[in-house]
Amino acid sequence: GQQVMQIPQYQHVQEGEDFTTYCNSSTTLSNIQWYKQRPGGHPVFLIQLVKSGEVKKQKRLTFQFGEAKKNSSLHITATQTTDVGTYFCAGAPPKALTFGGGTRLMVKP
Amino acid sequence: GAGVSQSPSNKVTEKGKDVELRCDPISGHTALYWYRQRLGQGLEFLIYFQGNSAPDKSGLPSDRFSAERTGESVSTLTIQRTQQEDSAVYLCASSKYDRVGTEAFFGQGTRLTVV
Repeated sequence: GQQVMQIPQYQHVQEGEDFTTYCNSSTTLSNIQWYKQRPGGHPVFLIQLVKSGEVKKQKRLTFQFGEAKKNSSLHITATQTTDVGTYFCAGAPPKALTFGGGTRLMVKP
Repeated sequence: GAGVSQSPSNKVTEKGKDVELRCDPISGHTALYWYRQRLGQGLEFLIYFQGNSAPDKSGLPSDRFSAERTGESVSTLTIQRTQQEDSAVYLCASSKYDRVGTEAFFGQGTRLTVV
């Protein structure tokens, strides 16, 4: 079946450093979505990428969708303590939304 | 309601008992998902409902797990003869599905503890 892998599993950064998480799918995706889950909370939608090679920005967050629509990345510039949480990618092959294992980001002030 | 509502928020049950978890999706959302999240882990897909299509049950871990949805409304996830490894947060999400999919809105989850 379709699998979505994410690396790294954990990342500790000093506040102000950059952070990147990578997502890879075993199959071509129709779209990729990114979610953030704060500690003790539920996942909250951040963005959706649909087109091959698409790049979208939200303030300090940059999202990319690979040319082959099988990989994606989320880059955070100059992390802040408010960025703490687990970031999940989720792929929609044709139907069910399949989540990667997530990258837990910890920011040291 | 304004968002996805799940009940109960917490459930403690004895091993071997059956439990039923409820999800009220956002009105008008045709797609509904159930996921399981163990402590510190990712979201494990369980089941997906899309309109009147046959549900995708490929994620259900055993025949002790079942789910129903009536039309585009409430869904219930039933776990029979609960085991300790069933302890987790069960998350429900709904979305207004289109051809390429749209964002999923999650409920607060039901924390299930099997003792």
